[in-house]
Amino acid sequence: DQQVKQNSPSLSVQEGRISILNCDYTNSMFDYFLWYKKYPAEGPTFLISISSIKDKNEDGRFTVFLNKSAKHLSLHIVPSQPGDSAVYFCAATGSSNTGKLIFGQGTTLQVKP
Amino acid sequence: DTGVSQNPRHKITKRGQNVTFRCDPISEHNRLYWYRQTLGQGPEFLTYFQNEAQLEKSRLLSDRFSAERPKGSFSTLEIQRTEQGDSAMYLCASSLGSSNNQPQHFGDGTRLSIL
Repeated sequence: DQQVKQNSPSLSVQEGRISILNCDYTNSMFDYFLWYKKYPAEGPTFLISISSIKDKNEDGRFTVFLNKSAKHLSLHIVPSQPGDSAVYFCAATGSSNTGKLIFGQGTTLQVKP
Repeated sequence: DTGVSQNPRHKITKRGQNVTFRCDPISEHNRLYWYRQTLGQGPEFLTYFQNEAQLEKSRLLSDRFSAERPKGSFSTLEIQRTEQGDSAMYLCASSLGSSNNQPQHFGDGTRLSIL
């Protein structure tokens, strides 16, 4: 039972263009959503988050959009840079009172110079 | 802020042996989590501590697995009688506060390989 899904295993974009990574979830109890970036041989690094009471959160080049009715969120990176090339994980919490994260399978982003 | 520290970074052992991993969270972080990640998948929750109390365990955590967090500081994860299927990256994360809506900060993990 995959409660958080990232249906695109990989994405390739040109430097300077926009990268859009998508995530779907099924559990309506989720109330906080996060994006993490992971480089090889390193742990996930927190990027940006959004509470379910909002529909958009922006931090520099990164913007997360939440569509609760569609149970969908997306991460926009603009402009994309080669250093953004990594695996991106969507995560959600709220299904328990411990804050445990439920992760998607990840999307590998390649930004070409 | 020295970040979450995990040791060892890599562990290679034979099937049937016991292994223990250590996690040092960010100082003053009262919440500590263990996750397991296998190739091509996202991290999966294993267990959660609030201070020294272990408050949730996943059904993934069989009776061969045990975790502790004495005095609410560092934590250890022990796997007894290791099996091939235990090969994975074991990640530790910590966060601060009483709210669930705080980002967790991850260490670089311990990669376990079972021969």
